[in-house]
Amino acid sequence: QVQLQESGPGLVKPSETLSLTCAVFNYSINNGYYWGWIRQPPGKGLEWIGSLYHTGKTYYNPSLKSRVTISVDTSKNQFSLELSSVSAADTAVYYCARQQSVGAPGAIDYWGQGPLVTVSS
Amino acid sequence: DIVMTQSPDSLAVSLGERATINCKSSQSVLYFSNNKNHLAWYQQKPGQPPKLLINWASTRESGVPDRFSGSGSGTDFSLTISNLQAEDVAVYSCHQYYSIPNSFGQGTKLEI
Repeated sequence: QVQLQESGPGLVKPSETLSLTCAVFNYSINNGYYWGWIRQPPGKGLEWIGSLYHTGKTYYNPSLKSRVTISVDTSKNQFSLELSSVSAADTAVYYCARQQSVGAPGAIDYWGQGPLVTVSS
Repeated sequence: DIVMTQSPDSLAVSLGERATINCKSSQSVLYFSNNKNHLAWYQQKPGQPPKLLINWASTRESGVPDRFSGSGSGTDFSLTISNLQAEDVAVYSCHQYYSIPNSFGQGTKLEI
């Protein structure tokens, strides 16, 4: 059973950079699929942030593209999210996830538990 | 960007009855080259991540009860839950992966 586990600070100050890492267990990132991040503000719907393939090819949501970097460390079988210049509007549960490959990111078949990241001074 | 709009926002259905949730995309998500609708449905219970129920608009994932069914094509889709059980109380969301950025519906809250 594939498992994903997010780690990182639960509190980030405004204007700083949010950094999260997702460790993948029981499946090698190098074997394919897309690996991505989705967020959910409290009480609201899901927002796709972006995904990357193990080769490093990335897709980002244009609404966040100028502030987002998703990277992969295949030696540690993990991938990461950095979101810069955060504000209160970035407060959300952040999920890491595996997306099926359809030539581009597809349906999401495995999700992490998702930590709440709060942006506040 | 493709906008996904679900209806209704919330729905109350009696045990044993049928619930239907609708999802409309602002443009077609039917991919010409594979003749498949690039649309998925998820179930999310409180405090949990979403769970993939339906892929390709109508293909049930392994282990998902056959009470759950997906239908539709192009821009209009539905998720139907027959013989509603207490454990089906959740928020249901559609997801298009036809284009970047992927996008989700706002979610429909299903109550008994």
